[in-house]
Amino acid sequence: RKEVEQDPGPFNVPEGATVAFNCTYSNSASQSFFWYRQDCRKEPKLLMSVYSSGNEDGRFTAQLNRASQYISLLIRDSKLSDSATYLCVAPRDGSGNTGKLIFGQGTTLQVKP
Amino acid sequence: DVKVTQSSRYLVKRTGEKVFLECVQDMDHENMFWYRQDPGLGLRLIYFSYDVKMKEKGDIPEGYSVSREKKERFSLILESASTNQTSMYLCASTPPRGRGGEQYFGPGTRLTVT
Repeated sequence: RKEVEQDPGPFNVPEGATVAFNCTYSNSASQSFFWYRQDCRKEPKLLMSVYSSGNEDGRFTAQLNRASQYISLLIRDSKLSDSATYLCVAPRDGSGNTGKLIFGQGTTLQVKP
Repeated sequence: DVKVTQSSRYLVKRTGEKVFLECVQDMDHENMFWYRQDPGLGLRLIYFSYDVKMKEKGDIPEGYSVSREKKERFSLILESASTNQTSMYLCASTPPRGRGGEQYFGPGTRLTVT
């Protein structure tokens, strides 16, 4: 099993739609997770952190399900500008103290007018 | 604003050449990383450095070496470039503790080895 696994998509959705991505992880000791966004031909940038209580930032909600070992990212009211690849990320050492991360291969979202 | 810069956006080299990729960050971060990104494989860690002159192998160090002589600069060296090293190379840096999930990436160098 891959350490961090995502459905690569692409997810094609109309503007205004709600879309959700899931990501599974294998290290049950991991305490925190992250979603990064990567635009076409650009570098990844941190979108959100995910801890046990989840996280919400505007139209974006990230949740953690420890029992099933998955993280989700929900995007409400999709905008054209949300089109990007979303990378699910876990710390290599579980605690995140070393700064070393494991990146999923990414889920591509295309929002259509 | 944290800034991570890489020496080239695009690079074309011949098989067997020695290639240097440079990365500089301006935020006094201890930790620096080199990744390569390939379609379907995602980001894979090549090398990691947690301080000047300190380095650690990542998942795919074969064919690569690194140098960290100054805190702000982390260099990736392809000793003898091969066509399977054609890829996007991304450098990143991160503060030492507490915000371990926040890595700041450079714009990337797209290397083609012919």
